[in-house]
Amino acid sequence: DADVTQTPRNRITKTGKRIMLECSQTKGHDRMYWYRQDPGLGLRLIYYSFDVKDINKGEISDGYSVSRQAQAKFSLSLESAIPNQTALYFCATSDPGSPTGSYNEQFFGPGTRLTVL
Amino acid sequence: QQQVKQSPQSLIVQKGGISIINCAYENTAFDYFPWYQQFPGKGPALLIAIRPDVSEKKEGRFTISFNKSAKQFSLHIMDSQPGDSATYFCAASTPLSGGSNYKLTFGKGTLLTVNP
Repeated sequence: DADVTQTPRNRITKTGKRIMLECSQTKGHDRMYWYRQDPGLGLRLIYYSFDVKDINKGEISDGYSVSRQAQAKFSLSLESAIPNQTALYFCATSDPGSPTGSYNEQFFGPGTRLTVL
Repeated sequence: QQQVKQSPQSLIVQKGGISIINCAYENTAFDYFPWYQQFPGKGPALLIAIRPDVSEKKEGRFTISFNKSAKQFSLHIMDSQPGDSATYFCAASTPLSGGSNYKLTFGKGTLLTVNP
């Protein structure tokens, strides 16, 4: 089984609809992230959470909200979808860095392709 | 504001050739520089990473060269193979409060095609 799973994998919706993308992980990581990927724009951070009670806005949080239901679950919502939110969405997880501040890698899910008509 | 600039946007290399992807940054607070590799239909995965106190790191055919004074770093893929065809993202890590948290800023990506 995959360590980081995302549902749905593909979704087509209409402008104005509420959409929820879900992410679950079995890696036991505290840190979870939501990114969107657009062609030619790379990956941009939407929200991140360092534990269940700690949620932070990323670069492009407008139009999005998140919920950290448990250590293993982090959901992204589009309250009223619009066409320019059409993109590939990725969830990622990571361990904390070490006390010396060394880097730990982020593990990405397979992505959700969202189309807003 | 793009904090990590990546070039080229796309690259075509013959099998056995050297692929070079470049990145530049402005924020001196970045403290770690990873490269991620993404195959079609998959999420990105860490390929190799370097700290700014090191000028070069090599793992197999993949090498990161880092120039702190110029605020530039690059990925070199030696003896490129068709299986290396993927999108490559450079990134930079920003330390956050507490010393054990960080966030990544990604470049826009480079689509590498290695022809047989």
